[in-house]
Amino acid sequence: GQSLEQPSEVTAVEGAIVQINCTYQTSGFYGLSWYQQHDGGAPTFLSYNGLDGLEETGRFSSFLSRSDSYGYLLLQELQMKDSASYFCALLSTNKLIFGTGTLLAVQP
Amino acid sequence: KAGVTQTPRYLIKTRGQQVTLSCSPISGHRSVSWYQQTPGQGLQFLFEYFSETQRNKGNFPGRFSGRQFSNSRSEMNVSTLELGDSALYLCASSLGGTQSSYEQYFGPGTRLTVT
Repeated sequence: GQSLEQPSEVTAVEGAIVQINCTYQTSGFYGLSWYQQHDGGAPTFLSYNGLDGLEETGRFSSFLSRSDSYGYLLLQELQMKDSASYFCALLSTNKLIFGTGTLLAVQP
Repeated sequence: KAGVTQTPRYLIKTRGQQVTLSCSPISGHRSVSWYQQTPGQGLQFLFEYFSETQRNKGNFPGRFSGRQFSNSRSEMNVSTLELGDSALYLCASSLGGTQSSYEQYFGPGTRLTVT
């Protein structure tokens, strides 16, 4: 089977940098996606790593290391609006398998 | 482009009843996936449809079923409802290629409460 682990909660200060880690176990996958979900809202796509290495999209960056079965999402210049849940998800054949999510609280 | 729409947004049902939820994907998207979201379990994959065919299924009992129509709209059905079926049901659409499913567009969800 496939499973992903994330920290349940992370707290950071406005303007800071925070890293949300994701470790996984799988027999095979195409890549790792990241989604953001505000309380009461729908998940929205943030980033995807099909290959090892770093992908940068504005204030957000995502990293994947297949040899370490590990990825992370890096959020820079944190803003209050970044307070949300963040999910990593493995892309398997025609489906995404989601981690349990990390609740990020940004404090002033 | 209009986003993914789901109806109804809220639903209250009694144990033993059945329910049908509807999802309209983004125009041009041929793949629709369904997820169950609960506080303790996160987002659990239910099934995925592409061109009216179920391509993938998660680990849910047979009480959970779905279908997709020729216009890509999809429905999911839950029969013999149990209290544990109370959850937010999300559908998501994507273009449909195997390796393009990494970017899915989610609807607002249907909040189902079983009493």
